[in-house]
Amino acid sequence: DADVTQTPRNRITKTGKRIMLECSQTKGHDRMYWYRQDPGLGLRLIYYSFDVKDINKGEISDGYSVSRQAQAKFSLSLESAIPNQTALYFCATSDTGQGYYGYTFGSGTRLTVV
Amino acid sequence: AQSVTQLDSQVPVFEEAPVELRCNYSSSVSVYLFWYVQYPNQGLQLLLKYLSGSTLVESINGFEAEFNKSQTSFHLRKPSVHISDTAEYFCAVSEGGSEKLVFGKGTKLTVNP
Repeated sequence: DADVTQTPRNRITKTGKRIMLECSQTKGHDRMYWYRQDPGLGLRLIYYSFDVKDINKGEISDGYSVSRQAQAKFSLSLESAIPNQTALYFCATSDTGQGYYGYTFGSGTRLTVV
Repeated sequence: AQSVTQLDSQVPVFEEAPVELRCNYSSSVSVYLFWYVQYPNQGLQLLLKYLSGSTLVESINGFEAEFNKSQTSFHLRKPSVHISDTAEYFCAVSEGGSEKLVFGKGTKLTVNP
């Protein structure tokens, strides 16, 4: 099993629908992140969480919300999806004080909003 | 605020040729630097990192990168590329004390036979 699992892998949804992307990890890491990847724009941070009670906005949090249900689970929600939220979404984890050693990424969720 | 510039969005090369993927960053404090690789239809994998010490760091598959503080650069090089190196490469930086990574826009390396 993968260390960081994202579900679903692919999703097509309609404008205005609520959708949740899920991330779970078996690394035992306390820090989790959601990034969005767009062609030519690289990865941009949406939200991050340093522990269950700590949630922080990233550079592009508008239109998104998150929930840290447990140390191992971090979900990203789009309350009312719009077409420009079509992107590849990545969840990542790092360990306390060990983030300098690099993140562990999931395989991504490809979301299409029509 | 820190930022990362990858100067080339696409780099096509022939197999066994050398390659350099350029990365510059801006930051007013000490930084940690990373290169990640993304193979087609996969997530990102850490390729190599600079935290401190020797300014030349190497990966297990023949890539190397050199931290140049005066030029605020962290260019990635490989003396002889393989078809299997075809991927997108991302440079990333975190400022000392922060564990948030800021990524560049990526460079697509295409190795042709």
